[in-house]
Amino acid sequence: EAQVTQNPRYLITVTGKKLTVTCSQNMNHEYMSWYRQDPGLGLRQIYYSMNVEVTDKGDVPEGYKVSRKEKRNFPLILESPSPNQTSLYFCASRTGASYEQYFGPGTRLTVT
Amino acid sequence: SQQGEEDPQALSIQEGENATMNCSYKTSINNLQWYRQNSGRGLVHLILIRSNEREKHSGRLRVTLDTSKKSSSLLITASRAADTASYFCAPSGGYQKVTFGIGTKLQVIP
Repeated sequence: EAQVTQNPRYLITVTGKKLTVTCSQNMNHEYMSWYRQDPGLGLRQIYYSMNVEVTDKGDVPEGYKVSRKEKRNFPLILESPSPNQTSLYFCASRTGASYEQYFGPGTRLTVT
Repeated sequence: SQQGEEDPQALSIQEGENATMNCSYKTSINNLQWYRQNSGRGLVHLILIRSNEREKHSGRLRVTLDTSKKSSSLLITASRAADTASYFCAPSGGYQKVTFGIGTKLQVIP
């Protein structure tokens, strides 16, 4: 089944404790993105990647890192999480030939 | 990045009625997409309309695009309780940065 998976789905952590949210897609998509969704603010793009080893900042990249060492994986790294990073995070992917994005199920992160 | 603004923010209708939601944007686009999100879940792509198209249909969905007014509308005909969700537009200039608005929350009452 074609899909985007994220892990973990739920995470409660404390300020400053490094964490990684994994994202994997099995559709051989070139493009991958991370978004965060907050009430009243919609979905905002954090980082995106056009292919392996090619990444760029979205609208809200501060406090986040990404890497794209393999085509299928696009982990989101929070080196020192803070409470304002409490949010619902989505990974998405698409091919180079289509604008249609496929979204993962989301990761709900709480930073206390 | 290009951001769409959906209107209204919330809409409540009876099952069987039609639901119309609108999207406005500010700069020129290559295409515009509509997505649906069931509560807390990932977005699901519904339909894409290109800048040279004025109207597009997919099942019970009808999308219009008016590039002169920088606006689009999504019409869901004969709504069902299962259509209850948030709907987002995503105007795109063909670049990688995509920003979604806060969406229209649709409630269809059985």
